[in-house]
Amino acid sequence: EPEVTQTPSHQVTQMGQEVILRCVPISNHLYFYWYRQILGQKVEFLVSFYNNEISEKSEIFDDQFSVERPDGSNFTLKIRSTKLEDSAMYFCASGGRGGNTGELFFGEGSRLTVL
Amino acid sequence: DAKTTQPNSMESNEEEPVHLPCNHSTISGTDYIHWYRQLPSQGPEYVIHGLTSNVNNRMASLAIAEDRKSSTLILHRATLRDAAVYYCILREYNQGGKLIFGQGTELSVKP
Repeated sequence: EPEVTQTPSHQVTQMGQEVILRCVPISNHLYFYWYRQILGQKVEFLVSFYNNEISEKSEIFDDQFSVERPDGSNFTLKIRSTKLEDSAMYFCASGGRGGNTGELFFGEGSRLTVL
Repeated sequence: DAKTTQPNSMESNEEEPVHLPCNHSTISGTDYIHWYRQLPSQGPEYVIHGLTSNVNNRMASLAIAEDRKSSTLILHRATLRDAAVYYCILREYNQGGKLIFGQGTELSVKP
């Protein structure tokens, strides 16, 4: 069964460092998403991406965050200067269609620890 | 984003049916009702979705009230592997197709 894969599974970084989290969505999907989940809290939407541009972003997704689909297979989330509060599990998801039908497929997540 | 209300937690016995309720009194006519679950230490996983009619798939059934202000996810025979947080989500129509997660219901399954 096709799946969304994420790397790294766990990254530890120092505050102020740049971090790039990588995702390989399901190959024929067109809609891509990043979510985060702080330990013990709910899953929060960060950004959606379609047709090589951001469709929608949440208040969390400020200027420190960026997304890119550099080569048609990878989908990356970059945090320019990490803060302690960026420590969380980050989930990538992809979907075959937009609107409000169809399912999203989530990866296993990348745990980011900022020291 | 339209809101849903779910119990914080529920318990079930293995091999018994489980009915997970969700209230969504402010649902609009174009909102789809989606259910996802999150097993411990994993990403969310799609379970089922519907608009007006009841839906069945290999994982579960979704019963939708006639006025659409509530729905129930039914697991026909709970297994230990079904222990997870279950999220009821109203998905509004928007091009990006985002999902907005609430707190969900934490289901525990006793052997």
